Amino acid sequence: GAVVSQHPSWVICKSGTSVKIECRSLDFQATTMFWYRQFPKQSLMLMATSNEGSKATYEQGVEKDKFLINHASLTLSTLTVTSAHPEDSSFYICSARGVVQGRINTEAFFGQGTRLTVV
Amino acid sequence: QQQVKQSPQSLIVQKGGISIINCAYENTAFDYFPWYQQFPGKGPALLIAIRPDVSEKKEGRFTISFNKSAKQFSLHIMDSQPGDSATYFCAASRDNYGQNFVFGPGTRLSVLP
Repeated sequence: GAVVSQHPSWVICKSGTSVKIECRSLDFQATTMFWYRQFPKQSLMLMATSNEGSKATYEQGVEKDKFLINHASLTLSTLTVTSAHPEDSSFYICSARGVVQGRINTEAFFGQGTRLTVV
Repeated sequence: QQQVKQSPQSLIVQKGGISIINCAYENTAFDYFPWYQQFPGKGPALLIAIRPDVSEKKEGRFTISFNKSAKQFSLHIMDSQPGDSATYFCAASRDNYGQNFVFGPGTRLSVLP
C-alpha cells in the first residue's frame, strides 16, 4: 500500500515562533494533498487542499497567511504555522491522493499526524 | 449538503459482539464511502470502502452495508475484539482523486474484554 510519512510526530515551540510540518508520499505521486486539524475527541477539520505546483485552496475561516502551505513536488507538501500561539496547539494531519503504481487511485492515504504544542 | 452524520457518538461492546456504526449523507454526488479507524495520537487508517454500485462489501470481520435510496451506510464489526477499540470515522467523497473527503464526527468504540 501507499505510504505517507509526516514529520515531526510531535513538536513543542515557543509562542511567536514558526513551525514547519512535512508530509511526504514515499511510494506514489501525490497530486493532491489535504491538511487537516483535529481537536481532542473531534473529527478532522479540513484546512486546505493543495495540488502540486499550484497555490493551496483554503477553507473558510483558515488564515492563509498564518498557515502557509507549499506543494512544490509530487512527493512533498509542507505546512508552516507562522507566529504560532497557544491556540494553534492541535493535532495536524496530512493526507494525499494521486497516482499509485501508475494508476489514479481514489483512496486517501494519511500521515501519522503531528502534535503541536505552543507554549 | 456537505454534511455526513454519524451515530452513535460512543459505543461499548463486549468481546465477541457485533459493533454497528451508522452514517447518513445528503449530497447525492458522493460516490465513494470509506471508513477510517484512528487510534489515539495516530493518523486515520483506511478500514474498508464502498461505492454505490454495490449494497454490501465484506473484508474479514468488517462489513459495509450501503443503502443508496436512503443515503445511508453502516459499518459492522463482527466478533469485536479489544484491539478494535478506537475511533471510527465514516467519510464521503466524489470518486475523484482531487476531491476532499467529508468526515463524520466519529464514533468512539470500546470493546470490553
